[in-house]
Amino acid sequence: EAGVTQFPSHSVIEKGQTVTLRCDPISGHDNLYWYRRVMGKEIKFLLHFVKESKQDESGMPNNRFLAERTGGTYSTLKVQPAELEDSGVYFCASSQGVGTGNYGETQYFGPGTRLLVL
Amino acid sequence: AQRVTQPEKLLSVFKGAPVELKCNYSYSGSPELFWYVQYSRQRLQLLLRHISRESIKGFTADLNKGETSFHLKKPFAQEEDSAMYYCALSEETSGSRLTFGEGTQLTVNP
Repeated sequence: EAGVTQFPSHSVIEKGQTVTLRCDPISGHDNLYWYRRVMGKEIKFLLHFVKESKQDESGMPNNRFLAERTGGTYSTLKVQPAELEDSGVYFCASSQGVGTGNYGETQYFGPGTRLLVL
Repeated sequence: AQRVTQPEKLLSVFKGAPVELKCNYSYSGSPELFWYVQYSRQRLQLLLRHISRESIKGFTADLNKGETSFHLKKPFAQEEDSAMYYCALSEETSGSRLTFGEGTQLTVNP
């Protein structure tokens, strides 16, 4: 079974440009999460989808970030316009879940997308 | 708000020595605690979770609610244990999102 996949693996863009990250969760997983690790800091939660609905977007840093999960399958995270402080590794994770997701459930992580904003 | 603290960013031990990676948390409810591991050039993966009370790859972790700790231990470290270890927490009132510590880079020397 394929794990969580993310595209691209790396992205280097200039400040002010737009970047779109994609995540394909494990097939059948209702829950999809976005996290990021800024250099030197801990991995931080961004948001959580249950199917196509945003269950929790309390970790989104500002309105330059837009996440979608049309059809409840893959998800995209767009950063527009990108700023220097957006550089980091963006992780996607999925879990099977029932309804709104079970706390304590195992989350399966993708390999991450390394974003560098110059 | 909940918080996870891993006081050691780097930890180096020799093969065969015991190893303990510390994790403390601040949360007043009933959290679920996890240890995730990232080996070189691999993705983040679950090592163990407190609710399972299991030992994975010789590692164990006991939840101590009095000390609010969830330290990861292994009696005899192996070179293949070298990796980045993250302690994480989820709690019922904030759904299933994970709160991570900053991680501890463990190096096991031959």
